[in-house]
Amino acid sequence: EPEVTQTPSHQVTQMGQEVILRCVPISNHLYFYWYRQILGQKVEFLVSFYNNEISEKSEIFDDQFSVERPDGSNFTLKIRSTKLEDSAMYFCASSGTGDLNNSPLHFGNGTRLTVT
Amino acid sequence: AQSVAQPEDQVNVAEGNPLTVKCTYSVSGNPYLFWYVQYPNRGLQFLLKYITGDNLVKGSYGFEAEFNKSQTSFHLKKPSALVSDSALYFCAVRDDTGFQKLVFGTGTRLLVSP
Repeated sequence: EPEVTQTPSHQVTQMGQEVILRCVPISNHLYFYWYRQILGQKVEFLVSFYNNEISEKSEIFDDQFSVERPDGSNFTLKIRSTKLEDSAMYFCASSGTGDLNNSPLHFGNGTRLTVT
Repeated sequence: AQSVAQPEDQVNVAEGNPLTVKCTYSVSGNPYLFWYVQYPNRGLQFLLKYITGDNLVKGSYGFEAEFNKSQTSFHLKKPSALVSDSALYFCAVRDDTGFQKLVFGTGTRLLVSP
């Protein structure tokens, strides 16, 4: 069964540094997402992306965050200047092979970001 | 705005007994409801969904969920729990008024004892 893959599985960075989290969504999917989960807390929506542009974003997704689909297969999340509170598990997801409201999200295994 | 409540942080059940993990929701339009399961150090795996139709929805690994519109609930159930069902379970909702953002509950940890 096709999977969403995320790299790296764990990223450690210093506060103020830029990080790029990478995802390869399922190949025939049309919608792409980033969610995050702070340890022990709920899964929070960050951003959705369709047709090469952001379709929806949450309050968390401020100017420090950006997303890109640079080459038709990868989907990246960039955090320009990381803060301690950005430490979380970041999940990429994809969906949409047709009827969007019947299409469940498929999640990757996540990237654990630790900001020190 | 959409919201989901999972009132129990943890549910404990003995193997072989039935289990229920509770979820209530609030949406402005028609709800699309989902259950996901998360095993340690893994992403969320889709279990089942309710879009329209029968109120009892069957999903993966013997799980089912009952949609109750009047109570705005979507409880996850399984007739006979397995130790391997121990995991974190998330209820999620999306409505038909916007895009595809899923709103998740806080999760319920299910512990099945042998």
